[in-house]
Amino acid sequence: GENVEQHPSTLSVQEGDSAVIKCTYSDSASNYFPWYKQELGKRPQLIIDIRSNVGEKKDQRIAVTLNKTAKHFSLHITETQPEDSAVYFCAASSPNTGNQFYFGTGTSLTVIP
Amino acid sequence: DTEVTQTPKHLVMGMTNKKSLKCEQHMGHRAMYWYKQKAKKPPELMFVYSYEKLSINESVPSRFSPECPNSSLLNLHLHALQPEDSALYLCASSPYSADSNQPQHFGDGTRLSIL
Repeated sequence: GENVEQHPSTLSVQEGDSAVIKCTYSDSASNYFPWYKQELGKRPQLIIDIRSNVGEKKDQRIAVTLNKTAKHFSLHITETQPEDSAVYFCAASSPNTGNQFYFGTGTSLTVIP
Repeated sequence: DTEVTQTPKHLVMGMTNKKSLKCEQHMGHRAMYWYKQKAKKPPELMFVYSYEKLSINESVPSRFSPECPNSSLLNLHLHALQPEDSALYLCASSPYSADSNQPQHFGDGTRLSIL
């Protein structure tokens, strides 16, 4: 089955700096890659996603890049703000496994004011 | 309306109790999920329902029993749970598509504590 690795496990940045979180996956058939943000005590919220027919997608301060050949994808947050502090999870899914998501282990991001 | 509603928000139960968790969505999604999440860990998939039929059961112990009475509701019946079952239980839903994966929308979860 699919195996998703996520790095780093913790990340601290100064407010206004950029943050990058990286994930790798093992199943070359995976074609959908969502990113979730989970604040303490709250639900995971979808913040951005990308499909395998696209190399990059951007939404305001958040962008995701995908390298299918290397089987890795990354989340980029620019101009970080304290409210960006949360745990971020990447996930991968393939048509072979229906709608099942394989999650990374999570990155705890702290933005220091 | 893009909301998945879960009740109760908190539940404390003894190991011999029977209780149920409820999940409701009115987005017309035909795939619904139960996840278990421990602190600072990713959600672990338990069950998937597609068109009200159980399509994935991730080898979950029989003390957890899912039920999907209609396209908007998903229940998780609990019986004889163990202390290690204490966790946040998340429900999610997504549109169903046979040929492409769709984003899953999560509820706020039920925080379950087993005494």
